[in-house]
Amino acid sequence: KQEVTQIPAALSVPEGENLVLNCSFTDSAIYNLQWFRQDPGKGLTSLLLIQSSQREQTSGRLNASLDKSSGRSTLYIAASQPGDSATYLCAVKDSNYQLIWGAGTKLIIKP
Amino acid sequence: EPEVTQTPSHQVTQMGQEVILRCVPISNHLYFYWYRQILGQKVEFLVSFYNNEISEKSEIFDDQFSVERPDGSNFTLKIRSTKLEDSAMYFCASIEGGTGVEKLFFGSGTQLSVL
Repeated sequence: KQEVTQIPAALSVPEGENLVLNCSFTDSAIYNLQWFRQDPGKGLTSLLLIQSSQREQTSGRLNASLDKSSGRSTLYIAASQPGDSATYLCAVKDSNYQLIWGAGTKLIIKP
Repeated sequence: EPEVTQTPSHQVTQMGQEVILRCVPISNHLYFYWYRQILGQKVEFLVSFYNNEISEKSEIFDDQFSVERPDGSNFTLKIRSTKLEDSAMYFCASIEGGTGVEKLFFGSGTQLSVL
């Protein structure tokens, strides 16, 4: 059964720092992996989607990598800003086409 | 940018009452989903819907739940007799295709509180 884990559960860093959020999954048979952002009481915004055949995707200050064989993905945020404060979720689409979610990393960027 | 719209944003109901949560997916999308997130817990899959029928459902999606696409634009989730444990944020989502490689677009959610 696919399990997705995100570490750390919470992270607080000063503005301007580069940071890395981690996601691991137990079964490498995935179709894709997505990183989402969730703001308190709000919906989910897809940030980046990496197909199983890809190694990374970039959008602005965000870069997501995927190492399927080791069951790991990272989300790199460059030059963090207070507006980046949110919970970041990763989710994998497994062999049954189901999205399996991590519990998220709550990120706080201190001004 | 097109978006998935959910109404209402908040719904408060008494235990045992029926609720209908409404969603308008992106117009050219073909696959529709409901997810829920109980406060402090992971997002959970409920059901997927394609071509006017359920394609997958989870163990959570029991006989108390049903989905409909009544008019070609709305996509609804009905809970027949709500329980306290149904209190959660319910998210609707849609995908343009269904190849397993498409990006998922979510609505902003309906916060359901069952008293």
